[in-house]
Amino acid sequence: QKEVEQDPGPLSVPEGAIVSLNCTYSNSAFQYFMWYRQYSRKGPELLMYTYSSGNKEDGRFTAQVDKSSKYISLFIRDSQPSDSATYLCAMNAGGFKTIFGAGTRLFVKA
Amino acid sequence: IAGITQAPTSQILAAGRRMTLRCTQDMRHNAMYWYRQDLGLGLRLIHYSNTAGTTGKGEVPDGYSVSRANTDDFPLTLASAVPSQTSVYFCASSEGDKNEQFFGPGTRLTVL
Repeated sequence: QKEVEQDPGPLSVPEGAIVSLNCTYSNSAFQYFMWYRQYSRKGPELLMYTYSSGNKEDGRFTAQVDKSSKYISLFIRDSQPSDSATYLCAMNAGGFKTIFGAGTRLFVKA
Repeated sequence: IAGITQAPTSQILAAGRRMTLRCTQDMRHNAMYWYRQDLGLGLRLIHYSNTAGTTGKGEVPDGYSVSRANTDDFPLTLASAVPSQTSVYFCASSEGDKNEQFFGPGTRLTVL
């Protein structure tokens, strides 16, 4: 079993929809949780970073962490075609080793 | 300001050949990383360096070596390439062990 599980999709939604992206994990030592966005043939870029359980909001994006269920989510409100990308969850227990999910491909149709 | 640069952008390599992927950052970050990205497997850490002169093994280090002679450069060497090393390689850096990593544009490597 992988330490971090993420549905690869693809996920296709109409413009303006609310998107929900999720990851589950097995290592209870993870305490730092990140979401990266990766456009085609580009490097990943950090989108959201959370340390504790609960919600963190940044514009149209909300990151949610439930440590008791070992489950994290990224919500995108009012999705735009420019949000079409692969979204990678990532987790770290402290230190220099970060574990990434396989990524979910998202398509937002105009 | 370039951030992180990687070279080459892409490369086709015969099996058994030696290859060095170059990575340079201009952000003066202490930590640097090499990942490979394969379909369905996501990003996997190959090697990392928390400061110049120090390196560590990641999840998939076999067949790869790194060096960190200075803060800015972190080359990745494949001593004798094999087809299973066909992948997209990303270099990244971070300020200490803070978890925001900045990624380069990647090198697409094909080993035949």
